[in-house]
Amino acid sequence: AQSVAQPEDQVNVAEGNPLTVKCTYSVSGNPYLFWYVQYPNRGLQFLLKYITGDNLVKGSYGFEAEFNKSQTSFHLKKPSALVSDSALYFCAVRDLSGLSFGAGTTVTVRA
Amino acid sequence: DTAVSQTPKYLVTQMGNDKSIKCEQNLGHDTMYWYKQDSKKFLKIMFSYNNKELIINETVPNRFSPKSPDKAHLNLHINSLELGDSAVYFCASSQEDGVETQYFGPGTRLLVL
Repeated sequence: AQSVAQPEDQVNVAEGNPLTVKCTYSVSGNPYLFWYVQYPNRGLQFLLKYITGDNLVKGSYGFEAEFNKSQTSFHLKKPSALVSDSALYFCAVRDLSGLSFGAGTTVTVRA
Repeated sequence: DTAVSQTPKYLVTQMGNDKSIKCEQNLGHDTMYWYKQDSKKFLKIMFSYNNKELIINETVPNRFSPKSPDKAHLNLHINSLELGDSAVYFCASSQEDGVETQYFGPGTRLLVL
């Protein structure tokens, strides 16, 4: 089965510092990887995805992610975090029936 | 002009009742999905459905059934509700099944007493 793992339950950073949210995957074949963000009491919002091509994917709100096949990783990054980036972030991989999500990482950006 | 909408937003009911959650998308998408998010925020696919095929996650009890009156709607019916069904249920849609981006509704928070 396709799966992703998010090794950190929480990430805390100061505003203006770089933000990294980690994700590793375990799939057979070529992975289709996604990042979503969930703000409190809201639905999930799409940030970016990797299907094929350039390993560096740029997405919404200044986020980007780097696909690394040798390390089976797809870490989400933002060069300078904002307080408004505080939310729950999910990595996901396309599975047979839908998206298979990681456990989520709560990001807190302090002013 | 919400892309994916769900009703109701909140649903409180007693054990043993039957309830439905409605989902509508105005994106013209071909495939719709239902996900369940538990109290620990774990998200799990329940169903995916397009005109041709319904794929059911094998862990979903048969008390749950999706019903699609047309391409823009995928409603979730739940029979004989149990305490463990309490969760947030999200509907989503995508242009086609596969690698297309899925767009999520705002969620329906179900509480079974």
